[in-house]
Amino acid sequence: AAGVIQSPRHLIKEKRETATLKCYPIPRHDTVYWYQQGPGQDPQFLISFYEKMQSDKGSIPDRFSAQQFSDYHSELNMSSLELGDSALYFCASSSLNEKLFFGSGTQLSVL
Amino acid sequence: DAKTTQPTSMDCAEGRAANLPCNHSTISGNEYVYWYRQIHSQGPQYIIHGLKNNETNEMASLIITEDRKSSTLILPHATLRDTAVYYCIGDSGGGADGLTFGKGTHLIIQP
Repeated sequence: AAGVIQSPRHLIKEKRETATLKCYPIPRHDTVYWYQQGPGQDPQFLISFYEKMQSDKGSIPDRFSAQQFSDYHSELNMSSLELGDSALYFCASSSLNEKLFFGSGTQLSVL
Repeated sequence: DAKTTQPTSMDCAEGRAANLPCNHSTISGNEYVYWYRQIHSQGPQYIIHGLKNNETNEMASLIITEDRKSSTLILPHATLRDTAVYYCIGDSGGGADGLTFGKGTHLIIQP
């Protein structure tokens, strides 16, 4: 069965650079969620989209933005990267009101 | 979302039943109890959820107390591959709001 696909799997950036993470939800899923998980931390909710509109917002820094496109894939844009942004970034998708399916994550390292 | 409290860690022998408790005394009437788990650095995985009645699926059983202030996740025959962090989450399940992961239980299955 198709799963949530995230790209890239690994990303290395320098401080103050920008990064774009991509998420392709399970077919026919209309809702996408982004989570950040720092080393030794629990996943922290960043933002979610339903039918291409922002639905819920968590602890997403102002330097980050995200959107969901007409084909339902989503991108998380991160600017002015800081060392503290180094983390695993997970995307999840669901049909509205249903359980979440998570991708394998993108490991971002900021040097 | 309801605040949940779980033990930091637990051990269980391989082949035995693993019983993971969760306190959610502030859960509201429309909030479900969800369980997810995260195997090291992988994306969280849905296990089971329930509202009032006990639930069972191919992965686990969920026992919810009558007053709904606590629940227990049961893995009937634990294997080494069940070693993971288990998260108990209270959520209304409505809309596209992000799930709030708290401090889960690190379950270690011993050979």
